[in-house]
Amino acid sequence: AQSVTQPDIHITVSEGASLELRCNYSYGATPYLFWYVQSPGQGLQLLLKYFSGDTLVQGIKGFEAEFKRSQSSFNLRKPSVHWSDAAEYFCAVAGFSGGYNKLIFGAGTRLAVHP
Amino acid sequence: EADIYQTPRYLVIGTGKKITLECSQTMGHDKMYWYQQDPGMELHLIHYSYGVNSTEKGDLSSESTVSRIRTEHFPLTLESARPSHTSQYLCASTGGGAYEQYFGPGTRLTVT
Repeated sequence: AQSVTQPDIHITVSEGASLELRCNYSYGATPYLFWYVQSPGQGLQLLLKYFSGDTLVQGIKGFEAEFKRSQSSFNLRKPSVHWSDAAEYFCAVAGFSGGYNKLIFGAGTRLAVHP
Repeated sequence: EADIYQTPRYLVIGTGKKITLECSQTMGHDKMYWYQQDPGMELHLIHYSYGVNSTEKGDLSSESTVSRIRTEHFPLTLESARPSHTSQYLCASTGGGAYEQYFGPGTRLTVT
């Protein structure tokens, strides 16, 4: 069965520091992978997605993610974090079961940014 | 990017009341979804629809019901609200063969 693991529940970084959020997936075929961000009290916003091709994908707000098939990982990175990046981040993999397409989400990583 | 709207954004209601959470999208997406999310927790799919007059239950059992009479509208109804229904409800949509879903801002429901 498809699954997504985000090993870090909480991460705290200083403003201006680099960031890497980890995501590991379990999927039998070539995965479609996504990162979403959720600000407090808001819905989820799509940061970036990977379907195929270049394993380094660029997203909005200066984020990028790298797909590594050998490690079943899709880690999210940002070279310099801004205070406005404080939010919850969700990794997701597209799956198909029960007759429908769906997204399987990880439990999320809450990012705090210190000034 | 899809424009998807949810109303109300916040709702505090007493036990036993009937409520309907509204979700509308303007992109003509055929697929729509409802998720339930407790604070600081992951999302759980409770309902989905692949088109008009098509609704199915998701992975997480829910006492709510949904309808899809128009492509753009996917309301969720609780016939008798209980404190256990207190949660955030997120609506999402996608179209064609796409997998990425676009989310509304959510409705935070509190049942007292």
